[in-house]
Amino acid sequence: KQEVTQIPAALSVPEGENLVLNCSFTDSAIYNLQWFRQDPGKGLTSLLLIQSSQREQTSGRLNASLDKSSGRSTLYIAASQPGDSATYLCAVRDGGFKTIFGAGTRLFVKA
Amino acid sequence: EAQVTQNPRYLITVTGKKLTVTCSQNMNHEYMSWYRQDPGLGLRQIYYSMNVEVTDKGDVPEGYKVSRKEKRNFPLILESPSPNQTSLYFCASSLKGGLGRGYTFGSGTRLTVV
Repeated sequence: KQEVTQIPAALSVPEGENLVLNCSFTDSAIYNLQWFRQDPGKGLTSLLLIQSSQREQTSGRLNASLDKSSGRSTLYIAASQPGDSATYLCAVRDGGFKTIFGAGTRLFVKA
Repeated sequence: EAQVTQNPRYLITVTGKKLTVTCSQNMNHEYMSWYRQDPGLGLRQIYYSMNVEVTDKGDVPEGYKVSRKEKRNFPLILESPSPNQTSLYFCASSLKGGLGRGYTFGSGTRLTVV
């Protein structure tokens, strides 16, 4: 059974710092991996989607990488800002099209 | 605007009173799914649908029903709600196989069962 783990569970950094969020999964037979942002009490906003054949995706200050063989993905946030404060979730879709989410990393960027 | 619309946003109900949470998408997506989100447990998949008239159980389907009679709609039905179904519910959709932009989520429905 696919399990998705995100480390750390919470992170507090000063504004301007570059940071890395980690996501690991136990079954490498995935269809794609998606990173989301969730603000308190709100829905999920898609940040980046990486298909299983891809190694990375970039959007603005965000870069996500995927290493299927080792079951890992990282989300790199450059020059963090207070507005980046949110919970970041990764989700893995398996070959059967079920999607499993990690528990998330709660990020706080201090001004 | 491309979106997934859930209704209602907030709902308080009593144990045993049947309710339906609606979900509609305007992106012609084949794949739709329901999740519940609970503190410490993250998002867990309840049911998903690969296309019209095709539904399948996720990880926590007990106490829920779904139907997919039309491509755009995927209602979540609680026949006899219980307090342990108090949660934040999300509907999501995507192109079949998760191509394109991947998942698009609705804004959520906060359900309280007393």
